[in-house]
Amino acid sequence: QSVLTQPPSVSGAPGQRVTISCTGSSSNIGPDYDVHWYQQLPGTAPKLLIFGNINRPSGVPDRFSGSESGTSASLAITGLQAEDEADYYCQSYDSSLSVVVFGGGTKLTVL
Amino acid sequence: EVLLVQSGAEVKKPGESLKISCKASGYSFSSYWVAWVRQMPGKGLEWMGVIYPGDSDTRYSPSFQGQVTISADKSITTTFLQWSGLKASDTAMYYCARLFSGIASRSDYWGQGTLVTVSS
Repeated sequence: QSVLTQPPSVSGAPGQRVTISCTGSSSNIGPDYDVHWYQQLPGTAPKLLIFGNINRPSGVPDRFSGSESGTSASLAITGLQAEDEADYYCQSYDSSLSVVVFGGGTKLTVL
Repeated sequence: EVLLVQSGAEVKKPGESLKISCKASGYSFSSYWVAWVRQMPGKGLEWMGVIYPGDSDTRYSPSFQGQVTISADKSITTTFLQWSGLKASDTAMYYCARLFSGIASRSDYWGQGTLVTVSS
């Protein structure tokens, strides 16, 4: 059971918009700690997708966006493409556990 | 260019010891935390611990404390993850990752992963 809760899977057709939620608590999501998102394509290492809740590293398309509200964060992907099919993980720091925590991961399927 | 290059795949027997490595280049090695992350077959990412090579300050997740040892050698800009007695349940892919700033910050660069297989 992960400290950060993500849906196990989401799906969408090419061109559609999907969102992936990441639900935590006051000890890990909120004003004190940022949420980061990673994309893991099949058979590859994770790649930083969103940092500091809403920021995209250089080279990440603006189809990917992050948001945060209360003790939840979300990753939105618009204009879905076949190459977006991957596992997505949220990450934060938990002040009660004093550890970095990951969500359980969400598998995105492009129909 | 920042690179983290990990050592190759390993096949070990239960009870054996193992040390895998993560060679860093392209940045000031001593000034950035490096984390180790486990991914068991078909499962998600698990944060194991971090080390600050500048002073070897090391922190472990409670789940991995006492099970592994993280170390660093500044002279060869390399961090290590080691086991003294492997178990079948240690079979996993292990990633190293550089942290942008403090322990709670993003992992902005990742190694390619080292697959460890423990089987009798």
